[in-house]
Amino acid sequence: GQNIDQPTEMTATEGAIVQINCTYQTSGFNGLFWYQQHAGEAPTFLSYNVLDGLEEKGRFSSFLSRSKGYSYLLLKELQMKDSASYLCAPRGGGGGNKLTFGTGTQLKVEL
Amino acid sequence: SQTIHQWPATLVQPVGSPLSLECTVEGTSNPNLYWYRQAAGRGLQLLFYSVGIGQISSEVPQNLSASRPQDRQFILSSKKLLLSDSGFYLCAWSGQLYEQYFGPGTRLTVT
Repeated sequence: GQNIDQPTEMTATEGAIVQINCTYQTSGFNGLFWYQQHAGEAPTFLSYNVLDGLEEKGRFSSFLSRSKGYSYLLLKELQMKDSASYLCAPRGGGGGNKLTFGTGTQLKVEL
Repeated sequence: SQTIHQWPATLVQPVGSPLSLECTVEGTSNPNLYWYRQAAGRGLQLLFYSVGIGQISSEVPQNLSASRPQDRQFILSSKKLLLSDSGFYLCAWSGQLYEQYFGPGTRLTVT
């Protein structure tokens, strides 16, 4: 089975940097994905890590440590539009290339 | 480029009525397809996935079923809806890195 832990809520200031952590336990591990979901909308794919280290993509970066079962999403130069839920989703073993989604971290960006 | 369509966008159905939600994907062949449900304020729950025509795997026992009559068509059905079937239903397809791309979703309210 899979177990995913993320903070429920975070608040940050516009222009600042925020780090959203995710710890996971999976039976088999084949990569970890981060998604952004605005209220009332479908999730959108942000980033993917399969090897240890940092992947940078513009204002968003994602880090993975497979030995620790740990990942984080780093958002820089926060904007009001970054207020959303951020979902951590490891891909485990087994058929179907399934992802298991955490319950998400609700980020609120304030002025 | 690939696109994914879902309809209808919103649906209000009485308890005990049937359900049919359709998802189609364009611009890709033989994709893995997925149905998720997201209850209000909750995480994404994988309901079904399909790796090919006529191949359906069920993740949770429930009164829902899924079918894949064509390569790029995925249908979610129920013969008799329950109140607990209310939620946001999302269809997704899997890309080359196994990242998933979601359709716009159907918001179902069972009354």
